[in-house]
Formats: sequence, structure tokens, C-alpha cells
Amino acid sequence: QVQLQESGPGLVKPSQTLSLTCIVSGDSISSNNYYWSWIRQSAGKGLEWIGRIYTSESSNYNPSLQSRVTISLDTSKNQVSLKLTSVTAADTAVYYCAAEGRLSDAFDIWGQGTMVTVSS
Amino acid sequence: QSALTQPRSVSGSPGRSVTISCTETSSDVGGYNYVSWYQQYPGKAPKLIIYDVNKRPSGVPDRFSGSKSGNAASLTISGLQAEDEADYYCCSYGGSYTFGVYVVFGGGTKLTVL
Repeated sequence: QVQLQESGPGLVKPSQTLSLTCIVSGDSISSNNYYWSWIRQSAGKGLEWIGRIYTSESSNYNPSLQSRVTISLDTSKNQVSLKLTSVTAADTAVYYCAAEGRLSDAFDIWGQGTMVTVSS
Repeated sequence: QSALTQPRSVSGSPGRSVTISCTETSSDVGGYNYVSWYQQYPGKAPKLIIYDVNKRPSGVPDRFSGSKSGNAASLTISGLQAEDEADYYCCSYGGSYTFGVYVVFGGGTKLTVL
């Protein structure tokens, strides 16, 4: 059974880069079974898709965030990483790692989420 | 602004049915029969309850059903129970020549069981 666990700093200063890691267990990120996505949710707000990666050469990003986002794979550690540059208070949110099934075309599995606050 | 529009809130009495709509408002979104729905309790991660418009993952009660007609998808919950009180989000795909494929969520609907 696939499980996802997000980790990273809970506090990031404005203008800096937010970096998070999603540790994947129960499947290899190279198995071709899932797209690996990041999704965030600001307090009291809805879900916002950030982007996804399938292979190191295949990724898609939210058009509104594309210029600041990079999602990458570390196959040696079976991890998925998120980098969001030039953060502002508007990037304060709970960040979720999610596995989008290639057969279901839906987010089958979610991590518990990690809260990131952007503040000086 | 989300390209999928949901009502901010709906309510229903125990045992009754409610339907939550999800309407595509952008020409870039739609044309895909990959609508999914998620249930989220406060402070918890979302949970998939419907995929491919009307399919239920294992373990999801058949009280939950989905449908789609034209540019509008719907989630119907029949035989409402107190535990159904949660936020519900629809999700689909958009695409453009410039940005390729991307995922879009609706703004979410808060279901209150009276």
C-alpha cells in the first residue's frame, strides 16, 4: 500500500525558496503507476494544484505558478521534491503530496500534509 | 479564479439526498471525462470518493454517486448521514497549447447535515 509523507521547514522567509520532500513508501516512484503531485490549501480556502511529475522529463505545472515551481524525482531515495521560489505570504498553506493514479486519473493517495508559513 | 464552479454550501436532513454541482466555466477545461470528487474533513487530507465521473473506489459507500452532462458534473449523496458533513471538491483537467495539461479543482462545497 502506497504511503506518502511530506517533510520540510515549517517557516520560510519572504523572497526565499520553499523546499519540501515527499517520501514515498510501498511503491517505486519509477513504477509508472502514478503521477506524483503537489497540492496546497491556504487556511479556509480550497485546494490548489501546484504541479505533477511522471518521469524526470515529464512534468506539468499550474499556469499561475509555473514560473516559480520545480518538481523533481530522487529515485535513489524514492522521494519527490517541490521547490517554490520567491515566496510571499500568499504561499502560506498546507502542502500535500498526492499520487494520481494512471488508471484512475484521480488523486488516489494523499499525504497528511505539512504546514508552511511564509513570514519574516 | 477556479474554472470549475461549485456552490459554496449545501445542506440536507438525515436520510435525504443532496446534489453538489460542478460547472466548467473555462473553454480550456472540459472535454475530459476524468472528473473526480474528494471529501475533506477539517484538518484532514482530502479523500477520493468518485473518479472517472461515476466510479467509486473500494470502500466508498454506494450512497455516493457521480454523473456528468455537458459541461456540468454532479455528486449526489443519498441517505444523508451526520458523518457526511464535510467539504467536497470536484476536480478535472484543463489544457492549452501554451501550458499543456493541468489539473483544476472546484472551489469546494461545504455540506451541512441538518
